Amino acid sequence: DGGITQSPKYLFRKEGQNVTLSCEQNLNHDAMYWYRQDPGQGLRLIYYSQIVNDFQKGDIAEGYSVSREKKESFPLTVTSAQKNPTAFYLCASGPGQGDPSSYNEQFFGPGTRLTVL
Amino acid sequence: AQSVAQPEDQVNVAEGNPLTVKCTYSVSGNPYLFWYVQYPNRGLQFLLKYITGDNLVKGSYGFEAEFNKSQTSFHLKKPSALVSDSALYFCAVRDGWYSSASKIIFGSGTRLSIRP
Repeated sequence: DGGITQSPKYLFRKEGQNVTLSCEQNLNHDAMYWYRQDPGQGLRLIYYSQIVNDFQKGDIAEGYSVSREKKESFPLTVTSAQKNPTAFYLCASGPGQGDPSSYNEQFFGPGTRLTVL
Repeated sequence: AQSVAQPEDQVNVAEGNPLTVKCTYSVSGNPYLFWYVQYPNRGLQFLLKYITGDNLVKGSYGFEAEFNKSQTSFHLKKPSALVSDSALYFCAVRDGWYSSASKIIFGSGTRLSIRP
């Protein structure tokens, strides 16, 4: 988990609320990613960002939003439009496209467990 | 389109016995293959990768994986399992085509259980 921090570790949301999950990295990586993990379903990509001020939708972007104003930070907002947000959320970072090491592995944060009350 | 499959949801092995966790993949170009391990309520930890070169790749904690191009497989192995190896294991693939170089596709995961 070194180099990437996520906060909070546990988060509880009431229905209708927006909540923001924090992700910070000090690995000087251009690319950052958000995944959702549900039991038995592996990892699903929500959003990713190749570079500051740019991001793309992943496979399950509906009900989520992101920003990438700084290289180190990639916060994820779970909006009230996300009908089933209870899950484990993982942030990752890695070399960006065009980087000679761009085929290398991603590094993951420790995760945030979100529960809807 | 690239994809990766882990055909076993769970693998059970006795401590001290060899273990194998299976992974097969499909890509358009050359595959870049990865194994990660996840302990409960933690992020994924990188174990090993195949980019090019020797088909047998050695990684952390005594794990190794064998790249087999003809069978499009990248099975994870360890000669002697430990109880502490019990965890969730993910295989992942990145397509060698430049346009998709920044996305890794993950398998659904295999839960490895080592009994004492």
